[in-house]
Amino acid sequence: EDKVVQSPLSLVVHEGDTVTLNCSYEVTNFRSLLWYKQEKKAPTFLFMLTSSGIEKKSGRLSSILDKKELFSILNITATQTGDSAIYLCAAPSRTSGSRLTFGEGTQLTVNP
Amino acid sequence: SQTIHQWPATLVQPVGSPLSLECTVEGTSNPNLYWYRQAAGRGLQLLFYSVGIGQISSEVPQNLSASRPQDRQFILSSKKLLLSDSGFYLCAWSVPLTSGLTDTQYFGPGTRLTVL
Repeated sequence: EDKVVQSPLSLVVHEGDTVTLNCSYEVTNFRSLLWYKQEKKAPTFLFMLTSSGIEKKSGRLSSILDKKELFSILNITATQTGDSAIYLCAAPSRTSGSRLTFGEGTQLTVNP
Repeated sequence: SQTIHQWPATLVQPVGSPLSLECTVEGTSNPNLYWYRQAAGRGLQLLFYSVGIGQISSEVPQNLSASRPQDRQFILSSKKLLLSDSGFYLCAWSVPLTSGLTDTQYFGPGTRLTVL
């Protein structure tokens, strides 16, 4: 059975801190890993990672994949209160790129 | 551009009552459609997905059913709600890609269901 595990489950930091969120996976015939940010309602897409060692970057957020060790990290530098959210990672199932298995999410709280 | 709508936004229903949640997508044709449930603000559990009208795959046995009467309409239903059906229900869509590639899924605003 495909499995995606995120850590930590929750994290509280102060504005300006840098955080690293972790996502490990056990997925047969791995093809990609996705990160989403969920503030109050709809998760919004952040990154899709398919290749090891190639960093994807968007502003203060960046992510990288290690296909050998089967994990990904999401880094947020100079955190702001607006970064407070649940961060979800997901991987498609071995049988279909359309069926995603999600991790439990990391609840990030950034205090002023 | 594509948009996805869900309604209602919140719903409080008694145990044993029926349920109908609706999701519609605009600005795309023949999307893949999905229903997820999220309990207590944690990870998402895939309930159903559909690759076309009338084509529904169920991921977990449960008290719910789904239908896709039109290309861009996806409905989640129950005949008799249970307390355990409470949660945040999210609809999502994606553009189907060729085998071996991953669809990026885009989510609607969700419906928060409380069963009392």
